[in-house]
Formats: sequence, C-alpha cells, structure tokens
Amino acid sequence: NAGVTQTPKFQVLKTGQSMTLQCAQDMNHNSMYWYRQDPGMGLRLIYYSASEGTTDKGEVPNGYNVSRLNKREFSLRLESAAPSQTSVYFCASTTVNSQETQYFGPGTRLLVL
Amino acid sequence: AQSVTQLGSHVSVSEGALVLLRCNYSSSVPPYLFWYVQYPNQGLQLLLKYTSAATLVKGINGFEAEFKKSETSFHLTKPSAHMSDAAEYFCAVRADTGRRALTFGSGTRLQVQP
Repeated sequence: NAGVTQTPKFQVLKTGQSMTLQCAQDMNHNSMYWYRQDPGMGLRLIYYSASEGTTDKGEVPNGYNVSRLNKREFSLRLESAAPSQTSVYFCASTTVNSQETQYFGPGTRLLVL
Repeated sequence: AQSVTQLGSHVSVSEGALVLLRCNYSSSVPPYLFWYVQYPNQGLQLLLKYTSAATLVKGINGFEAEFKKSETSFHLTKPSAHMSDAAEYFCAVRADTGRRALTFGSGTRLQVQP
C-alpha cells in the first residue's frame, strides 16, 4: 500500500508556464483534496472532490483547475503560473470509514520565478 | 465557519521537559479535531484525533490531547520531550460542511534543546 503519492516532488517554473501536479491514492477513498502550504499560514484548501466525477472550490481556488480522472487520481493544474503560486502542495484523501482522518501525500515543492 | 488558532509559532523545550502546544477552535457544530506532525521536507502525519468519544485522546509517540468544550481548546501535551519530537505541529478542525475538508491552524514549530 503506497497510500497517497504525488509527482513531481519538486518543480521550477517560469512565470506564465503551465504544469499539472499529479496525485493518486490506493486506499479506495472517495474524497480527495488539494492544499497549499505557505509559511505561517498552515494549509489552505484549493479544491476538493467529494467523489469521482465531482469537484468544488475551496478557500483559494484562483489560478488553479482540477480533474478527478477516476476514483484513484486527482490532478491540479496551473494554467499560467505566477510567483504567488510558489508553495508546497499537498494532496490528501479520506473516506467516511476513516472517521474523517485525512491521509496526506509527501508534497510537491513548486518554485515560480 | 470554523477556525483554528495555535498560540505560539515557535516553542522551545529542553529534552525531558513537558511539551504543551496550544490549540483553540471555533465550530458551529460538534467538532472533529486533529493534531498532525510534519517533519522537515515530509508530508503530514496524524498524531491523534478527537471524534466525540473520550475527551482525553492518546496518540502516537507518547502525545495526548484533551478536548475541553467549555474552553474550546484541544491542547497537545507530552510529559517528556525527546530530540526526535522536533517538528512542526498543526491543529485542525473538520469543516462543518459536507466537504469534510480540514481547516488548519498556522502551525507551531517545536524545538527540543539537549
């Protein structure tokens, strides 16, 4: 059981470039989430997917799009990266049976120049 | 809407001393509360959680937390700090909506001095 995996681990982009962050979980969880972590601000929710085929905005969705490709995979896309999107991005998943525990991936560190 | 406040962005203790990390929350419904730990350059790992059962919750690595409804608090403690406890700790509350997302505090970095 790999849990939640994320790729890439680290990425450097120039302003205006696009990229997709990949996330996959093998725990058969229904709900998946994307958070960003910035110093002194904890983690903030970008988008979430309650179940396959559904997505919804979180606290800081501007500049991002998501795709829930299937039950396992939930990707985050930056269409035109900006320096303000420099952050560490975490994917997480959960299910009702886990009593709300969210399981986190190792994170993707993104630097936008 | 729910929120979490962690008092003290940095806490320093001596090895063997008591660890106390403070967390206060607000929630319009009975909360689910969590403490996560993050070691350098790693993801978040669940330490413990409160889900309306026992108010004193025991977690991994000797940590425990007590849910106090009257004080809207969920402070994390450990009787004796170890060097390996040095990390960042996040308190979180489950959103009081159907999304089940978590609202996180800003984190407390724990330093353990030899």
